[in-house]
Order: sequence, then structure tokens, then C-alpha cells
Amino acid sequence: EVQLVESGGGLVQPGRSLRLSCVASGFTFEDYAMHWVRHSPGKGLEWVSGISSNGRTIGYADSVRGRFTISRDNAKNSLYLQMNSLRADDTAFYYCAKGRITIFSYFDSWGPGTRVTVSS
Amino acid sequence: EIVMTQSPATLSVSPGERATLSCRASQSVSVNLAWYRQKPGQAPRLLIFGASSRATGIPARFSGSGSGTEFTLTISSLQAEDFALYYCQQYNNGRTFGQGTKVEIK
Repeated sequence: EVQLVESGGGLVQPGRSLRLSCVASGFTFEDYAMHWVRHSPGKGLEWVSGISSNGRTIGYADSVRGRFTISRDNAKNSLYLQMNSLRADDTAFYYCAKGRITIFSYFDSWGPGTRVTVSS
Repeated sequence: EIVMTQSPATLSVSPGERATLSCRASQSVSVNLAWYRQKPGQAPRLLIFGASSRATGIPARFSGSGSGTEFTLTISSLQAEDFALYYCQQYNNGRTFGQGTKVEIK
């Protein structure tokens, strides 16, 4: 059974940084692209960033490009999202989501999410 | 960016009845379209991919159709757990979601 567990969320002041982590199990992590997707009441679901299985292809939403960095460690079955220069509109539930072989895909498994609140 | 528009925003349906949800893309996405259900306090769950293929473990009451710019999700007989939010997502060019349709009890 696929399991994805996020951690690292919390309350942070505007302009500060936060690093999210996701540990995966139940599938061959190194074979699949992985993504971060966020959900906020005002914006609904928004794809944030994705990374190919070997980490060589990376994509970002325009809203986070230049501020967020996605990475993965296949030896640790882990996905990360470094979030810098956080803004109030980054407040959301952040989900780790499993993609497919290609980085352009749907998301077939999701973690329970971690809440990020950006507020002074 | 491809814009996905879902309608209606809210659908009121009685248990056991059929629900039909629509999703329109601002340009063709071929059949690269997925549907998700999100219950309150939970992560989204994949229902349909490739516009019409049911994901693993999804019951047959869920069906998807369409191609190009017009798509439909049909739930043939609503069960208690189906009263939730539904999102469509295109993955033909980037990845964008619709704003969601809330299916509520009539």
C-alpha cells in the first residue's frame, strides 16, 4: 500500500523560511515523479512543484518560482520542499503527491497533508 | 496556462440519485484529464484518469467521459461518502485544477 507522510508545516512569519518533508513507502520511490500540491480555501487546489524520478527535470508554478525549491533523496525515499520568502498567500495545506513515470501526469496517491500558516 | 472551469459550483442531489458534473478546458487537453474527490479534512483521492479510466479501487458508479475541451463525471447512484468536493485536473500542458464542484445533500 502506498503511504506518503508529510512533515515540517507550522506557523511562520512573512519573509521567513520553512522546509517540508515527505517520506514515501509501499512503492519503488525512485521510479516515479513526485509533486507538491497545495489547497487553500480561497484558491482551491494548486500544483506547486514537481520533480522527475531521477531529479533532473523540475517544474514550478509561477506563484512560487524563485522562492521554493523541490528536491528528493531516492536513497531515503524522501521528497522535500524548501520554501523561502514566504508570503501570506502561501498559507495552505501542502500535500505530497505521487505522480507517474512522466512528470506530466495526474496524482494517484496523496499524503494527509501538512498545514502551513504564514502570519505575523 | 490552461484554465479549467467546473460547473455547477454546487450540486444538490438526493442519496441514490444520479449526479453529473462538468469540466471545461480553455484549450484542448486531449484525454489528459483526471477527476478527484475530496472529503472534508482529507486529501483528494483519484477517481478517474485518462478522462474515462477508473483508478484502482474506485467503484463502477463513477464514470468519466469526454475529450478535447468538454468532460463529464457521472456518479450513477450517490452514496453517503460521495457528498464531497470534486475537482478536475488537466495534465496535457502543465497541471491545472478546476475550482471544484461541491456535491451536497438535497
